[in-house]
Amino acid sequence: QVQLQESGPGLVKPSQTLSLTCTVSGVSISSGDYYWSWIRQPPGKGLEWTGYIYYSGSTFYNPSLKSRVTISLDTSKNQFSLKLSSVTAADAAVYYCASMNSGGHYFDYWGQGTLVTVSS
Amino acid sequence: QSALTQPRSVSGSPGQSVTISCTGTSSDVGGYNYVSWYQQHPGKAPKLMIYDVSKRPSGVPDRFSGSKSGNTASLTISGLLAEDEADYYCCSFAATYTSVVFGGGTKLTVL
Repeated sequence: QVQLQESGPGLVKPSQTLSLTCTVSGVSISSGDYYWSWIRQPPGKGLEWTGYIYYSGSTFYNPSLKSRVTISLDTSKNQFSLKLSSVTAADAAVYYCASMNSGGHYFDYWGQGTLVTVSS
Repeated sequence: QSALTQPRSVSGSPGQSVTISCTGTSSDVGGYNYVSWYQQHPGKAPKLMIYDVSKRPSGVPDRFSGSKSGNTASLTISGLLAEDEADYYCCSFAATYTSVVFGGGTKLTVL
């Protein structure tokens, strides 16, 4: 059974960089079965795809965030990470990591989510 | 990259059926059979209910079904139960930027 768990600061100051890590268990992130993804949800709003990374290192980002977002892999720890620079209040959200099945572009496993607040 | 269009809310009585629509374009919903649907209860992570337009993951009741016609996908829930009350989101692969796009979400109320 694939399990994902987000971790990272719950509070980030405006203009700083948001950094989150997702620890994966039950499958190697080096397998080609999944794209490792980040999805966010502002309070009271809908889901927004942020981006994903494949085991090869190829990355795909939401065009609206592309200039500020970086997703990377740490295969030694079976983790992947999200960095979002120059954050504003609009970046406050619950951030989910999820596995996107490479065969069909659907998110079959999700972390529980972590709330990130942007405030000075 | 615009979000897929869903009704903001739908409702139905226990035992009835409801259908939630999800409208996109030929670059996403209409162009690929990669539509998925997610159920989200308050304070919880989304749960995959339908993938590849009409396939159900193991453990999802067959009361949930999906379909697609042109640029519009649909999720139908039959025999409504109180536990089905939740937010539902559609999602599609989008050729533009090799990405995915979500719908704005639909709140299902079981009366």
